[in-house]
Amino acid sequence: DTAVSQTPKYLVTQMGNDKSIKCEQNLGHDTMYWYKQDSKKFLKIMFSYNNKELIINETVPNRFSPKSPDKAHLNLHINSLELGDSAVYFCASSRGYQSGNTIYFGEGSWLTVV
Amino acid sequence: AQKVTQAQTEISVVEKEDVTLDCVYETRDTTYYLFWYKQPPSGELVFLIRRNSFDEQNEISGRYSWNFQKSTSSFNFTITASQVVDSAVYFCALSEARGAQKLVFGQGTRLTINP
Repeated sequence: DTAVSQTPKYLVTQMGNDKSIKCEQNLGHDTMYWYKQDSKKFLKIMFSYNNKELIINETVPNRFSPKSPDKAHLNLHINSLELGDSAVYFCASSRGYQSGNTIYFGEGSWLTVV
Repeated sequence: AQKVTQAQTEISVVEKEDVTLDCVYETRDTTYYLFWYKQPPSGELVFLIRRNSFDEQNEISGRYSWNFQKSTSSFNFTITASQVVDSAVYFCALSEARGAQKLVFGQGTRLTINP
C-alpha cells in the first residue's frame, strides 16, 4: 500500500483553467503538506495542515487553495492556472507538525500548463 | 535565516567507486534537524536519514554513511561501492527547532553512476 498517494500523477491543462490535485495518506499522521518543485528541481513548502487546521501558508498566491476534509486528506485546488504554475507538486505527511518530524512524500504530480 | 548549500550540481562516477555528496547549512538556532532525501529518475522523494543537532555521531547504513560536523556546519553523505541504482538527485534539508516543521532544501546534487 502506498503511504502517501496523490492523483493525478500527470496533468496537462490550458492557461486559465481550474484544476485539483488530491492527496491521501494511510500512515495515521496528523500533519500534511504541499511542496512545489520547480523546473530547476528546487523544492519549497507551500502549505502545512495539522489535523485539518492550517499551520503554514508560505506566501502562496490566493489562486492556490488547500482543503483538508480530514487529517488523512489534503487536496490542492488551483484557480486560473498560469504558465508559471508548471511544476511538480508533492504531497507529504508527518506524525506531528513540530520541527524535527520526519516528512514522508508522495510520488508527485507533474502539472504542465500550456 | 536558514540556508542549505549543495555546491556539487552534478557528479558522475564509475560503478564501485566511492562518492561523497557535500551539504553545508546555515542556521542561527542551536537546535535543528538535518535530513537527506533521494529522488530517483522515477521522481518520488525517498527519505534517507534524519539527524538532530545534538547527535554528532556518524551514521552508517549499509553502503551509505553520513558525517555530521557542527564545527564546519556540514552534513556530508558518502556512498561506498556505488551502484547504478544509486543514480538519483540527492537533497539535503534543514529544519530549525523553532516553529512548525518546515524543510528548507538545498539545490540538490545529481549523481550518475556509470556501469
